[in-house]
Amino acid sequence: DIQLTQSPSFLSASVGDRVTITCRASQGISSYLAWYQQKPGKAPKLLIYAASTLQSGVPSRFSGSGSGTDFTLTINSLQPEDFATYYCQHLDGYPITFGQGTRLEIK
Amino acid sequence: EVQLVESGGGLVQPGGSLRLSCAASGFTFNTYEMNWVRQAPGKGLEWVSYISYSGNTIYYADSVKGRFTISRDNAKNSLFLQMNSLRAEDTAVYYCVREFYNWNLTSWLVFYDLWGQGTLVTVSS
Repeated sequence: DIQLTQSPSFLSASVGDRVTITCRASQGISSYLAWYQQKPGKAPKLLIYAASTLQSGVPSRFSGSGSGTDFTLTINSLQPEDFATYYCQHLDGYPITFGQGTRLEIK
Repeated sequence: EVQLVESGGGLVQPGGSLRLSCAASGFTFNTYEMNWVRQAPGKGLEWVSYISYSGNTIYYADSVKGRFTISRDNAKNSLFLQMNSLRAEDTAVYYCVREFYNWNLTSWLVFYDLWGQGTLVTVSS
């Protein structure tokens, strides 16, 4: 099975900051990676697919990059509504796996 | 409105059974692959099961294989998860999730683009 390791697990930042979350796959997954945002008590929301394609309706301050085994999610100019937990997910065959999550909190 | 609505969650004793349902609306259900994803309290996301648009291809996570059965009724725009021999570690919010899967000139596009609100399953005596 493909394992995904996110770092950091916890991130404290301020409104207006730029933050980067990384996701490393245990084997190459081409660009079959997605990023989701989840707020407490809510279902996850798709942000990025195919490693770098922004889902319709998602603000342009979110961006993704990478291929193979190393991926990043960057949020420019953090807004109050961005404080949430973020997950990466591989879709390069089953079983699908998710990273353990990165909790982004207000400093 | 495009949406997925789960139902059927609740409290069940260890060893018991439960059947989750997911009602799809606002889109052509029989053209989409579907999945169940769960999240234990305070934990991360765990993929549970997949079913192809036709129902002919099915996959399970090792943690539920042999105990859970995924199915769908395209005539009724519904997805199901039959859960047997439930264990305490199956306690979680279960999400019904639509999978987008399409060829994009040079590669496949695959992602989970629509999630239900989730239904809570609690396994406890």
